[in-house]
Amino acid sequence: ETGVTQTPRHLVMGMTNKKSLKCEQHLGHNAMYWYKQSAKKPLELMFVYNFKEQTENNSVPSRFSPECPNSSHLFLHLHTLQPEDSALYLCASKLAGGPSGANVLTFGAGSRLTVL
Amino acid sequence: GQSLEQPSEVTAVEGAIVQINCTYQTSGFYGLSWYQQHDGGAPTFLSYNGLDGLEETGRFSSFLSRSDSYGYLLLQELQMKDSASYFCAETDSWGKFQFGAGTQVVVTP
Repeated sequence: ETGVTQTPRHLVMGMTNKKSLKCEQHLGHNAMYWYKQSAKKPLELMFVYNFKEQTENNSVPSRFSPECPNSSHLFLHLHTLQPEDSALYLCASKLAGGPSGANVLTFGAGSRLTVL
Repeated sequence: GQSLEQPSEVTAVEGAIVQINCTYQTSGFYGLSWYQQHDGGAPTFLSYNGLDGLEETGRFSSFLSRSDSYGYLLLQELQMKDSASYFCAETDSWGKFQFGAGTQVVVTP
């Protein structure tokens, strides 16, 4: 366990379904990230939240909708996805700003999504 | 845009030394990090370079040259458990991390 917990670990959904991915950390971090990891490709930054405020949306399609109700929780709401959205979705957190520790991302184990 | 280049795969025997190079092209560069990811696992932090030079952490070392937009991760005394993917990541001053595609390190007996 890294201190960042993602659920579910595996998810299979149809293109018309609505589902959500959850990320939780109790490390005292105040910046949270969603990344998409596809085989043989760089981790793609999707969203960044600092102190619950979205500070980065990396041109992500609107069928992905993030939510950050507090500094410890991050959600990714999914609806009308496409098969090419099948990937590992990784959540990460870190301390926002400040000295040491601010340059270290702590990742969760990921949610493996398959879109049929 | 931003892009990082690193080799896709490296194979070496136990006890050997492996160097994984990473070149980056970005404005607003702040530092270079390295992460390890085993199959089915979470990426875990290995090392960070904010300044030019060498950072040593046990068997792993990382190096940065800002003037060359280049860094590397050095794995020494390779062990079987070091078989994993290794990612370089550059950070900008806004705390945004961009990752390379990863280098698969295969350690053989």
